[in-house]
Amino acid sequence: IAGITQAPTSQILAAGRRMTLRCTQDMRHNAMYWYRQDLGLGLRLIHYSNTAGTTGKGEVPDGYSVSRANTDDFPLTLASAVPSQTSVYFCASSWGANQPQHFGDGTRLSIL
Amino acid sequence: DQQVKQNSPSLSVQEGRISILNCDYTNSMFDYFLWYKKYPAEGPTFLISISSIKDKNEDGRFTVFLNKSAKHLSLHIVPSQPGDSAVYFCAASTSGTYKYIFGTGTRLKVLA
Repeated sequence: IAGITQAPTSQILAAGRRMTLRCTQDMRHNAMYWYRQDLGLGLRLIHYSNTAGTTGKGEVPDGYSVSRANTDDFPLTLASAVPSQTSVYFCASSWGANQPQHFGDGTRLSIL
Repeated sequence: DQQVKQNSPSLSVQEGRISILNCDYTNSMFDYFLWYKKYPAEGPTFLISISSIKDKNEDGRFTVFLNKSAKHLSLHIVPSQPGDSAVYFCAASTSGTYKYIFGTGTRLKVLA
């Protein structure tokens, strides 16, 4: 089934550790996104990429980095995790700007 | 500063009746709006969108209304079904950008 695959589905991590959340899409969408969802705050955009090789900052980029080496993959890295990064992370993709986004099922990350 | 607001955290509606979910925005540059539905432990799923050149868009049981002067949009679900019970997010963006701002969500419960 075409869509977005996120891994891992959940993770508990010690503060200060490095972590990469993986995201792969098979729809050949040009744009990809990372969001975090926190109670009472909805979904907030962390980083996005409008095409392979380019990335941009969203609302809450600090503490996170991304890369887009090819069309299908868009990993999100926490270089040194902090407890405030405990959240559910969603990866999404779309054909382009102002197009509906398709979401993965999320990664639940707990930083202790 | 919340640019997209969903002021009702929850809503209960009887099966067969109309559900009306509301969303307000403050940024007059927003010109593309979307609604997503989210079930627990899944990613959001796109429902319906509207651009600012329209004031209404319909898709089956779902209709979105846009009032640009009031900076307000609403999602109508008629008739409501128990399977519609979920959290609904509205989102807004500006033409040509990849930055979507989401509201905090409204939890809809359709009672059988």
